[in-house]
This record gives sequence, structure tokens and C-alpha cells, in this order.
Amino acid sequence: GDSVTQMEGPVTLSEEAFLTINCTYTATGYPSLFWYVQYPGEGLQLLLKATKADDKGSNKGFEATYRKETTSFHLEKGSVQVSDSAVYFCALSTSGTYKYIFGTGTRLKVLA
Amino acid sequence: DGGITQSPKYLFRKEGQNVTLSCEQNLNHDAMYWYRQDPGQGLRLIYYSQIVNDFQKGDIAEGYSVSREKKESFPLTVTSAQKNPTAFYLCASSISRTDEAFFGQGTRLTVV
Repeated sequence: GDSVTQMEGPVTLSEEAFLTINCTYTATGYPSLFWYVQYPGEGLQLLLKATKADDKGSNKGFEATYRKETTSFHLEKGSVQVSDSAVYFCALSTSGTYKYIFGTGTRLKVLA
Repeated sequence: DGGITQSPKYLFRKEGQNVTLSCEQNLNHDAMYWYRQDPGQGLRLIYYSQIVNDFQKGDIAEGYSVSREKKESFPLTVTSAQKNPTAFYLCASSISRTDEAFFGQGTRLTVV
């Protein structure tokens, strides 16, 4: 079945460091791909999305490119801030079902 | 502003009692979902509904029930048959299978 695998955390970085959180997927057909962010005690907020191969989603300095050949959607940011500390979830959806499949989440901690 | 409202934010239940979590959306979305989140784990799908008066079991439906009598509302009942109900519950909605899901702020249920 469809699945999402993302790197285990926690990831601890100093402020202004470069961030990469890896995400790979398995899916039949052509999924839409998403990154969500969750702050403590809150729901998930959409960070960015991509709906077809080679699309690049971007928002608030975060970027991710839909790579069909490597079935990946890695999240990157050039310079993280303390306020970026949160849990990040990679997810996919397909036209064959209404289900969204989520990775297990990666906790990011940014130190001042 | 359009969005999803979950209530209450915190809920305490005695063992053996049923409890209902509210989820209301004013986004005019057809599809709605309930997810369960446990510490260190990803989101697991409990139930989803594609249209009014129709819903399907997700991956962990045992011990839960839902109804979808109105497009705007998708309440979740946690019954006494759910063996380990303490968790963070998230409601979501989407306009289509390949668009992003929008999440509520969550309800934290604790069995005391």
C-alpha cells in the first residue's frame, strides 16, 4: 500500500543553519505531496505542497521539490530560526482514495 | 474567516463512559476526516466521510463511531469499547482528493 517514510528526529540545529528533512514515498499512480508543520498543542498547518513531478513547493523560506525518479520530497530551508522549532510531517494523497498518508513526523529544535 | 473548529480543546472522561468530540467546518468541503495522534507517532485515520450521510472506516475504527448528517459537521464518539482512548484527536477537511487537508486545533482526550 501507499506509504511515507521520513527521517527520524529529533533534529537539533543552531540558528541560521541549513535544514534538510528527508521524505520518500511509495504510491500507486501520481500522488500529491505535502509538508505540514505542527506546533506544540496545535493542529497541523500546511507548509507547502506539490501536485506533479518536478513541481517545487515553497513557503516562508522552506522549499521541497517533487522528484518522481527518486520518489522523494525533501524539505529544505537555507537558514532556520528559533521560531521554526516544531514537528514536520510529510504526507501524500492520491486520486484513487480520499485517504491522506502521513509520515511519523520529524521534530526540529533550533537553538539560539 | 473560514476554518475548522474542534471542541472542546481538553476533555476528561471516566472509564466506561462514551464521549463525543465536535468538529465543524465552514469551508464548504465535502470530505472530512478524523485522525488520532499518539506521542512519537504519525497520524492514524479513524473514519472519513466523502459526502453527507456517508462515511467509511479508516485504519483504527474499532471503538469509535461517527455521523455525517450535515455537510458542516462530523462528530466523533469515543465509546467505552475503545481500550486506550487517551490521545490527541484531529479533525480535517478537504475539497478534493488531491488538494490539501485543513486541520482543526485538536482535542486532547484523557481518560481518568
